[in-house]
Amino acid sequence: GQQLNQSPQSMFIQEGEDVSMNCTSSSIFNTWLWYKQEPGEGPVLLIALYKAGELTSNGRLTAQFGITRKDSFLNISASIPSDVGIYFCAGQPAYSGAGSYQLTFGKGTKLSVIP
Amino acid sequence: DSGVTQTPKHLITATGQRVTLRCSPRSGDLSVYWYQQSLDQGLQFLIQYYNGEERAKGNILERFSAQQFPDLHSELNLSSLELGDSALYFCASSVGDGEKLFFGSGTQLSVL
Repeated sequence: GQQLNQSPQSMFIQEGEDVSMNCTSSSIFNTWLWYKQEPGEGPVLLIALYKAGELTSNGRLTAQFGITRKDSFLNISASIPSDVGIYFCAGQPAYSGAGSYQLTFGKGTKLSVIP
Repeated sequence: DSGVTQTPKHLITATGQRVTLRCSPRSGDLSVYWYQQSLDQGLQFLIQYYNGEERAKGNILERFSAQQFPDLHSELNLSSLELGDSALYFCASSVGDGEKLFFGSGTQLSVL
C-alpha cells in the first residue's frame, strides 16, 4: 500500500525558532491532513488540504499541498513551549483499492521546544 | 474536545484475558476507525466500519474483532491478550469514507 515518509523523525529547537517538517510519497494523494498529538491524548486535526498547491494557515501554522500531489509541508513560526508534541501527516490516496479511501499516516515528527 | 468518546481511559489486565473497548463517534459521523499506537510508534490502522458494515481492514490480528452497532457506536474486542498487545487504542470517526478523522482520547491498555 501507499507509504508516507515523514521527516525529520524528531527535532529539538529553541523557543522562538521556526520549524519545518514534510511528508513525501511515491503515490498521488487527494487530501493531506496534519495532526498534532500531545502525550496521553489523541491526535488533533490542525490543517486539512484538498487541492494541489493549496497553502493554508492556522495561526502560526502553515501547511502546503505539494503541486506534484506527492508531498506536503508543515511550518510552525515562532515556536513556543506548548508546540511540543508529535506531528503526524496523513494523506488520502487517489485510490487505495477495494472501494476504500483510507487515510495513510506518516510515522510522526516529535517536536521538542527548549525554553 | 473532538466529540469522539472512548471508554475506558485505562485498562489493566492479564495475559490470556479478553477486553472490550468502546467508542461513540461524533454526532452525524457514519464511519468509525480503530487504530493501535505502541510506544514510540505511529498509528497502525486496524479496521474501519461505515454505517454498520465493515469497510476496510488493516493490520488487525485474528484475535481482535470489532463491530459497529445500529446506533453507530463501535466496540473493539481483544482476546487471548499478549504482553505485546499493550498499547494505546484510538477510535476515530468521520462523516464519510476517508475524510478527515476526529480522534478520541484513546484507551491505554496494559497487559501484565
